[in-house]
Amino acid sequence: QVTLKESGTGILQPSQALSLTCSFSGFSLSTTGICVSWIRQPSGKGLEWLADICWDDGKGYNPSLKNRLSISKDTSNNQAFLKITSVDTADTATYYCARSWMGALFGYWGQGVMVTVSS
Amino acid sequence: DTVLTQSPALAVSLGQRVTISCRASKSVSTYMHWYQQKSGQQPKLLIYSASNLESGVPSRFSGSGSGTDFTLTIDPVEADDIANYYCQQSNELPRTFGGGTKLELK
Repeated sequence: QVTLKESGTGILQPSQALSLTCSFSGFSLSTTGICVSWIRQPSGKGLEWLADICWDDGKGYNPSLKNRLSISKDTSNNQAFLKITSVDTADTATYYCARSWMGALFGYWGQGVMVTVSS
Repeated sequence: DTVLTQSPALAVSLGQRVTISCRASKSVSTYMHWYQQKSGQQPKLLIYSASNLESGVPSRFSGSGSGTDFTLTIDPVEADDIANYYCQQSNELPRTFGGGTKLELK
């Protein structure tokens, strides 16, 4: 059974760094073709793909967030991490991690973690 | 980036057939996927690669299309299908989603 769960800082101030952890079970990030992706959704709005990290340590980032994103993984402990630097109010959203096949489609999602950026 | 355009909302009656459309700003071949998101829940994959039904998804859901025009069909609509529906392309990076279509009851 595949499960994913996000955790991270709930409330931040502008300019701080956001650190998110995705803890998962039921699959390994060392399996060929498997990736973990991060996707966010502001309240009442649509979905935005942020980044993914794959079995071969390949990484992809959304250029719209420029150089603010950093993704990493701990294969032994079944975790993936996302860091977003210099947050502002526009980063307020629910952040999801998802298992993806080749970073292409998102077959399993976590329940999401709500992040609020406010002064 | 590939922009995906969906109608914001559709009003349907239970038992009716409904089609939800998604138009891509450039060809994505059949690298189009559909998700359902109920209120307060995470999205759920319904259809992958334009027309393939994800395991466990009811057969009243179907998908079609290629290139720039895609549709998700629900026939017949059940009460449990009232949700937001998103298309997503994986033809190129960055992966992009449509703005979502909210399915509402008439």
